[in-house]
This record gives sequence, structure tokens and C-alpha cells, in this order.
Amino acid sequence: QVQLQESGPGLVKPSETLSLTCSVSGGSITNNFWSWIRQPPGKGLEWIGYVYYSGSTNYNPSLKSRVVISIDTSKNQFSLKLISVTAADTAVYYCARDYGAFCDNSGCHGGRFDPWGQGTLVTVSS
Amino acid sequence: EIVLTQSPATLSLSPGERATLSCRASQTVSSYLAWYQQKPGQAPRLLIYDASNRATGIPARFSGSGSGTDFTLTISSLEPDDFAVYYCQQRINWPMCSFGQGTKLEIK
Repeated sequence: QVQLQESGPGLVKPSETLSLTCSVSGGSITNNFWSWIRQPPGKGLEWIGYVYYSGSTNYNPSLKSRVVISIDTSKNQFSLKLISVTAADTAVYYCARDYGAFCDNSGCHGGRFDPWGQGTLVTVSS
Repeated sequence: EIVLTQSPATLSLSPGERATLSCRASQTVSSYLAWYQQKPGQAPRLLIYDASNRATGIPARFSGSGSGTDFTLTISSLEPDDFAVYYCQQRINWPMCSFGQGTKLEIK
């Protein structure tokens, strides 16, 4: 079955760029949407954005100006970059397959996150 | 932005008891609601999608119901492994989504 694994630095300095990679195994990265979700310590979940295997993306408006998500189908990986980080960006970052949505005349609906990577804690501190 | 409000914040029950968790949306999300279970130090796990469909491998003691703005996750008979935090998540306007703040199910 599909498995995901996040990797990247666990400590980033304020104002610098957070960079993470998610490696997908047990299945192809093609024909799927892939999302990043984060969870500040002791708090709830926040969707960051997705990338489609074609390279198209969509981001949470609250983070849109600072986020870039990209995909490398040859490596079965997708990546997250978050620029100009602050302490508020300290969180566990998860990658997940994003599937099950459909579109009709009224728009696109549904979709769930499954499976998830184990998560990686990124701390923003000098 | 659609706000999901989960209640109660903490639910204290004993193994074998029935658990009923609530999720209320600030506006209709039709049936586009999912439930996740999260244990300490682990990623969330999908339990229920589209309000009432169990995800692959999820035991039958987990069930979901509701539509519109009011949803319920029911665990018919609690096992020791079920004590965790549960989150609801809506996606009426994909890809935007929001999560509830979570309900902690603890052992009484």
C-alpha cells in the first residue's frame, strides 16, 4: 500500500525558508493529488496546499503568499517550501494523499486525506 | 470560512461504553465530512469519509452519521485502543478544507 515519508531540517531560523520533501512508496505519484498539512504543538490541523501530478497547485489563502509546493514524478516525491518563516510556523508538518473529490456543475466537493506520512517537527528558532 | 465546532472538548468513558462525538458546521457541508483519529506522536488516521463511509480497515464499531451542519461519530463499544483525539474535517468547496478543534476521548 501507499506509504509517505517526510524529510527535511528540523530547525529553521526566523525569516529563512522551510523546505521539506515527501517521498511516496508502494504506489505511483501520478494520477493523484498530494497535500501538505501542519499541526502546531498542542493545536489543531491546518491544510497548507496541494500539488497534482501534472504540477498544478492550490494553496490555503492564509499561506498563499509564502508557499510553494512542487512535484518530481521521476523521484516519486513532492516538496514544500515556506518562505519568511516565524515562530508561528513551528509545527509538525504532514504530507498526505488527497483523493476522493469530484466535480459537478456546482463545483468540486469531497476529498479526504489518506494515508498520511508520520510527520516531521519543524521548529523556527534562532 | 466554514468553522467546525466539536463537542465535547473532552469525553471521559470506560472501555465497553458507547461514545458519541459531535461536529457542527457553521454552514452546510452537505455530506462532505470526514473523521480522523490521532494518537499521541502519530499522524491522524482516516476513519470515516463522506459522513458515513468507513475507510478501509476501520472496524465496524466506528460509524458516522449526519448531513448538512450536524454530524456524529459513534463508537459502539470502546476498546482500550480507541482512546485518542478525534477530528472532523469538511470539504464542501474542494480543495479548501477546515478541521474541527478535536475531541479528546479519555479513559474514565
